[in-house]
Amino acid sequence: GAVVSQHPSRVICKSGTSVKIECRSLDFQATTMFWYRQFPKQSLMLMATSNEGSKATYEQGVEKDKFLINHASLTLSTLTVTSAHPEDSSFYICSAREQGRNYEQYFGPGTRLTVT
Amino acid sequence: AQTVTQSQPEMSVQEAETVTLSCTYDTSESDYYLFWYKQPPSRQMILVIRQEAYKQQNATENRFSVNFQKAAKSFSLKISDSQLGDAAMYFCAYSLEYGNKLVFGAGTILRVKS
Repeated sequence: GAVVSQHPSRVICKSGTSVKIECRSLDFQATTMFWYRQFPKQSLMLMATSNEGSKATYEQGVEKDKFLINHASLTLSTLTVTSAHPEDSSFYICSAREQGRNYEQYFGPGTRLTVT
Repeated sequence: AQTVTQSQPEMSVQEAETVTLSCTYDTSESDYYLFWYKQPPSRQMILVIRQEAYKQQNATENRFSVNFQKAAKSFSLKISDSQLGDAAMYFCAYSLEYGNKLVFGAGTILRVKS
């Protein structure tokens, strides 16, 4: 089956710093990737849709200048949390849609971000 | 906007028994897709089953089956012969287009008792 990886799996950063999270499709090409945020014991909320070679589409209420998304290749999308604050602490999950055939969507294992 | 509601925050089932998780949704569209995802303690999202709205036949995947009631906008998941490995958070999700963004319900924690 298709595999999506995320790096790092856990990150702790100080308030005011920026942190980058990578989402990679390992064995397929993904023209579209999605970034979700999940608070403890809560649901996944879509933050943005990332399309290869174009600007990301952000959901209402998501600060695009704070959560920078780049999808520079068919296998890699990055989410950069800029000037992180404790309230940005959360679990970030990406998913990737396989190009062509069946448009199946595969999820990464998630990244736990803790801002101190 | 589409919404997905899971009214059962937590459910318990005895091993080998059957349990049903409820899900309702709201949409004005006629064609869409519904999913049940499992999130175990590892947090890795796993697709359990999917249903295309245009199909009247309920989807089944081994011990997992759904009861899709389009008019009532209801999409419940039945797990038969529950196993300890079924213990997880289960999310109901909606998508207007297959492979497109998902709208998730709040989730139901399923506990399996031995």
